[in-house]
Parts: sequence; structure tokens; C-alpha cells
Amino acid sequence: ETGVTQSPTHLIKTRGQQVTLRCSSQSGHNTVSWYQQALGQGPQFIFQYYREEENGRGNFPPRFSGLQFPNYSSELNVNALELDDSALYLCASSLVAGGTGELFFGEGSRLTVL
Amino acid sequence: DQQVKQNSPSLSVQEGRISILNCDYTNSMFDYFLWYKKYPAEGPTFLISISSIKDKNEDGRFTVFLNKSAKHLSLHIVPSQPGDSAVYFCAARAPGTSGSRLTFGEGTQLTVNP
Repeated sequence: ETGVTQSPTHLIKTRGQQVTLRCSSQSGHNTVSWYQQALGQGPQFIFQYYREEENGRGNFPPRFSGLQFPNYSSELNVNALELDDSALYLCASSLVAGGTGELFFGEGSRLTVL
Repeated sequence: DQQVKQNSPSLSVQEGRISILNCDYTNSMFDYFLWYKKYPAEGPTFLISISSIKDKNEDGRFTVFLNKSAKHLSLHIVPSQPGDSAVYFCAARAPGTSGSRLTFGEGTQLTVNP
């Protein structure tokens, strides 16, 4: 059973650019969620995808968007990058959308915006 | 609006002693609480959870206590081991939200000294 994997692990972008982060869910999991963890803070919910549709969104602007593919892998896209977007981006998978919060996280993608 | 707060950024205990990590919340609608543990360069891993209808849940060396009237929960680790050294996040879920939409606290760095 493979765990949640994310790529890339580290990347550097400049303000105004666009970035795509990728996530491969744990085998058998049909729900993926994305979190942003700023330095010294806890993870903040960005959004969740279930059966390829967004079905929950946190307090993030529309320039944060995502996709979930038929194989349950996922992408997080961020347009018009700002300095405050610098953070660790965590992908988490779970078996059902209405579960009790037991998530399986990847190791994260650390984004630095200069 | 920080609905889940961990007021202690760090905690240091001796091996074999008890570690107590605390968490306060403001949203009385939260129906499920979880603790996650995070090692450097790894994603958070689920540790233990408790439903709001219970006041205690135990799993081996880990026990979570919930005091709803005080909107407070705590994680007890006994006996503490050096391998327990990690950042611990308290998280909560509100009913009616997707199962993977969690609100996290800021985390507490636990250091267990040999």
C-alpha cells in the first residue's frame, strides 16, 4: 500500500508567477484535501475534492484552484503568486468525504515566493 | 479568528515522565477532535481522536481528555519516550462540513529528553 506522495518537495517562484503542485493519494482513497501551513502556524484548509469535484473550500481566494483526476491524484494551482503564499503545502487523502477527520498526509511541497 | 489554540509553543519533559499537551477551542459546534504528530520533513500523522460525546479516549500510552464545559482538551503521553519528540497539532471538525475540513491549532513542540 503506497502512501500519499507530493511533488515537487521544494520550489522557488517569483511574485506574479503561477505554480502547480501535485499529489498522489493513498491507494483506495477517494477524497483529497489541500492545506497551507505557514511558518509557525498549523495547517489551514484550502479545499477538498471528492469524485473529481470540489466539495468544500476554506478562506482562500479564487486564484487557488485544484483538480482531482479519475485515479484520485490531484493538483493544486496557485496563480498570481504573492509573497504571503510562501508556505508548506500539504496534501491529505481519506477514504470518504464525510469521515471523521483521520487524514493521511504527504510530506508537503515547500513553496518560496521571492 | 483562531478557533483552535495551543498556547504552549513548546514543552520539554524527561523520558519516562508524563507529557501533557493542551488545546483550547471556541466553537462549541465542533463534534470531533483529533491529535496529529509531525516529525521534521514529514507530513502530520494521525495519533488519536475523540468524539464530542465522550470525555476520554485511550490508546496505549496516549490518552485524550475532553472538557466540553471548558472547551478544552488535552493529550497525555505516559510514559514519554525520546521518539515522541515532535510537533503535536490539535485539530477539530465542525458538523456539516466535509470530513477532511479540519481546523488546526498552531502546534506544540514536544521534546523528550533521555
